[in-house]
Amino acid sequence: AQSVTQLDSQVPVFEEAPVELRCNYSSSVSVYLFWYVQYPNQGLQLLLKYLSGSTLVKGINGFEAEFNKSQTSFHLRKPSVHISDTAEYFCAVIYTGGFKTIFGAGTRLFVKA
Amino acid sequence: DSGVTQTPKHLITATGQRVTLRCSPRSGDLSVYWYQQSLDQGLQFLIQYYNGEERAKGNILERFSAQQFPDLHSELNLSSLELGDSALYFCASSAVDSNSPLHFGNGTRLTVT
Repeated sequence: AQSVTQLDSQVPVFEEAPVELRCNYSSSVSVYLFWYVQYPNQGLQLLLKYLSGSTLVKGINGFEAEFNKSQTSFHLRKPSVHISDTAEYFCAVIYTGGFKTIFGAGTRLFVKA
Repeated sequence: DSGVTQTPKHLITATGQRVTLRCSPRSGDLSVYWYQQSLDQGLQFLIQYYNGEERAKGNILERFSAQQFPDLHSELNLSSLELGDSALYFCASSAVDSNSPLHFGNGTRLTVT
């Protein structure tokens, strides 16, 4: 079955430290990959997307993600986090030829001062 | 601002009742998606419409129904409400392409008492 796994449900980290949020998807067929962020009491916003081309994708707010086809992963990274990055982050995939976006369970990033 | 408008923002109702949630997609987007977000189930895909036609169905209960109108706005109808239906209901829209990211509204928070 097509699925997305976010390996960490919660990630606490100190301000200005680097962070990596992990995401794996279930199939090696062609995919489109996304990371969304949800701040409290808001809907999800697109952080970045991978459709094709360079495997390193840069997004908003200093985030980047790397597509690794052999490991079916799309991990999200930021070299130095801020308090304002505290939010829930969702990895999502669209399998080529499909119409449905499949979301992971989310990772709650908590940045501490 | 994502351009997706959802009304109402909050809804409190009693068990057994029926409610209608409304969504206006981003200008130019033909696809509308409905998601349910709860603490125990995470973000669950309910249903997708494309230009007035149902395109994909997810974990939508038989008590729930949706439609997309000629002006592309969509309504999600929830009937015979149960306590467990309390959740955030998000609408999202996307452009025509199957690899398009989703643009989310701010959600309707439904509380069933």
